[in-house]
Amino acid sequence: EAGVVQSPRYKIIEKKQPVAFWCNPISGHNTLYWYRQNLGQGPELLIRYENEEAVDDSQLPKDRFSAERLKGVDSTLKIQPAELGDSAVYLCASSRSYEQYFGPGTRLTVT
Amino acid sequence: QQQVKQSPQSLIVQKGGISIINCAYENTAFDYFPWYQQFPGKGPALLIAIRPDVSEKKEGRFTISFNKSAKQFSLHIMDSQPGDSATYFCAAPLGGSSNTGKLIFGQGTTLQVKP
Repeated sequence: EAGVVQSPRYKIIEKKQPVAFWCNPISGHNTLYWYRQNLGQGPELLIRYENEEAVDDSQLPKDRFSAERLKGVDSTLKIQPAELGDSAVYLCASSRSYEQYFGPGTRLTVT
Repeated sequence: QQQVKQSPQSLIVQKGGISIINCAYENTAFDYFPWYQQFPGKGPALLIAIRPDVSEKKEGRFTISFNKSAKQFSLHIMDSQPGDSATYFCAAPLGGSSNTGKLIFGQGTTLQVKP
């Protein structure tokens, strides 16, 4: 069974530029999560989808972050404009039940 | 905001020794407590999890012990190996019936197993 796929793996951008991350969850997993992991910290949830519906986006900074999950499969997380403090690893995870499985993450560096 | 408190922050163990990492949580929506293992440059990988209708779960060298009354759970790594050197995260589900599936992660424990 293929795992969660994320791209790109690394991204370096200048502040105020836009950036987008893509995630393909494990086949059959209806729930998809986007997390942010700062250096030396645990993952923090940004948004959770049940199929194509965002059921929890309370931690998503909506002034600059947006996400979508078209057709309830792949998902895209966007930041526009990026700020220096957005430098982190952005992780996607998916689940069918309680167990959440993470992708390799996208390491974002904002200069 | 609810927290999961994980300790120690770092741990050095000799090969063959026992590694013990502890977590304390507040209120939870339901009983499900996973541990994740993360290597540098990789995403967290689900290591072992417990649904505490039992107080302990063992998978190979890894054991979760759970104390519901104390709201604590721990990870024990028996016969620790250099390949176990990684960062370990505990997690607990956020309290409240509307928060099903929302995990709160601990700060992580960096384990180094010396040969």
